[in-house]
Amino acid sequence: AQSVAQPEDQVNVAEGNPLTVKCTYSVSGNPYLFWYVQYPNRGLQFLLKYITGDNLVKGSYGFEAEFNKSQTSFHLKKPSALVSDSALYFCAVRRSGGYQKVTFGTGTKLQVIP
Amino acid sequence: GAVVSQHPSWVICKSGTSVKIECRSLDFQATTMFWYRQFPKQSLMLMATSNEGSKATYEQGVEKDKFLINHASLTLSTLTVTSAHPEDSSFYICSARDSVYTDEQFFGPGTRLTVL
Repeated sequence: AQSVAQPEDQVNVAEGNPLTVKCTYSVSGNPYLFWYVQYPNRGLQFLLKYITGDNLVKGSYGFEAEFNKSQTSFHLKKPSALVSDSALYFCAVRRSGGYQKVTFGTGTKLQVIP
Repeated sequence: GAVVSQHPSWVICKSGTSVKIECRSLDFQATTMFWYRQFPKQSLMLMATSNEGSKATYEQGVEKDKFLINHASLTLSTLTVTSAHPEDSSFYICSARDSVYTDEQFFGPGTRLTVL
C-alpha cells in the first residue's frame, strides 16, 4: 500500500519569508510525486511533479520541491511567501509504471501573514 | 492547458431526490476519469475510476448503486447520487487523465452538494 504523510495541519509564515510544507511518502518501487494547491470551494490546481531526473523540481508560481529518496520526502518550498499563496496544499504519490492510482495526503493549510 | 469543467458548481436538493453531476474534458480526450469526494478539512477520497465505454471501478466501501457513474464518451463522465441523504452532502471533484500523457490528472473545479 502507498501512503502520504503531511505532518502539519497548518503552517504560518510571514509575507516575504521562505516557506516549507512537508511531505513524506511510502510506495513500492519508484515514486511519482505531485503537489497540488486548492483554494476555497475550488478544485485542485497542479503545482509541480517529480517523475525522474533532477531531485529539485521547479513548478508554478515560484514553488519548488526537493525529492529526497533516502528520507522519502518531497517538501514544497518557496523562497519568499506571498499573501496570495495562502491556500490548502496537497502532496500526492503514485507508483511508476503505467497508470497507477494516486494517493493524496491530508493537506496542509498555508497561512501567509501580511 | 488541459481544462476540466464540472456542472453544476453547487446544488441543493431535498432528501430522497437524485442529483447528476457532469464532468467534461474541454480540450483533450480522457479515456479515464476519476471521482473524488472531499469532506471539510479532509483530503480527497477516491470514489471510483471511470473508463470510457466500460463499467466504473469503485473503491472499497463506495456503494455503486448509490453513486452511479457513466462515462459514455471520451469527454464526458457523469456521477449520479441516487436517493440523496444529508450524509451525502460533500464536495465532489472529478479529474481526467489525458489519454496521451500517463502521469498527470487534471482536476475539475468541484461541485458542492448540499442535501436538506
